Amino acid sequence: GEDVEQSLFLSVREGDSSVINCTYTDSSSTYLYWYKQEPGAGLQLLTYIFSNMDMKQDQRLTVLLNKKDKHLSLRIADTQTGDSAIYFCAERSLTGGFKTIFGAGTRLFVKA
Amino acid sequence: DGGITQSPKYLFRKEGQNVTLSCEQNLNHDAMYWYRQDPGQGLRLIYYSQIVNDFQKGDIAEGYSVSREKKESFPLTVTSAQKNPTAFYLCASTSQGAGTEAFFGQGTRLTVV
Repeated sequence: GEDVEQSLFLSVREGDSSVINCTYTDSSSTYLYWYKQEPGAGLQLLTYIFSNMDMKQDQRLTVLLNKKDKHLSLRIADTQTGDSAIYFCAERSLTGGFKTIFGAGTRLFVKA
Repeated sequence: DGGITQSPKYLFRKEGQNVTLSCEQNLNHDAMYWYRQDPGQGLRLIYYSQIVNDFQKGDIAEGYSVSREKKESFPLTVTSAQKNPTAFYLCASTSQGAGTEAFFGQGTRLTVV
């Protein structure tokens, strides 16, 4: 079945770039998402990319997709302490109906 | 403003009791979902519903039940059969189509005392 994997922790200094990585298994046409979760709250969509794209940039966020390796990354430029949160990678296949498969989440710590 | 609302934010349950978590959305979304979140395990799908009066089991449905009598509402009951119910529960909704994002509620933290 489908699976999404990501590392559990990342620690960076304020002002540095953060790169959060994710791998997925579904090889069909797919939407890939990055969600952010702050403590005690629900998830909010940060950005998404369709599997026929290689890159998407939105202000400080850059998403890179390597479809051959099924590898997705989220780069946050000039990371701030307010970026400290859990970041979830998720995928939703065009053949998968309504189900969205989430990774375990990467907890980003930003040190001042 | 449109959104998805979960209540209560915190819930305490005695062992052997059933409790019901509320989820309401005014986004006119067809599909609604319940996820369970445990530390280090991400989100696991409990139940989902694509239309009114229809729902399907997710990956960890045992010990839970749901209903979908109205498009706006998708309550989750945690029954006494759920052996380890302490967790953070998240409700989400989406419109039709594979590319649409999921909108999440703020979550309910359930603790067994």
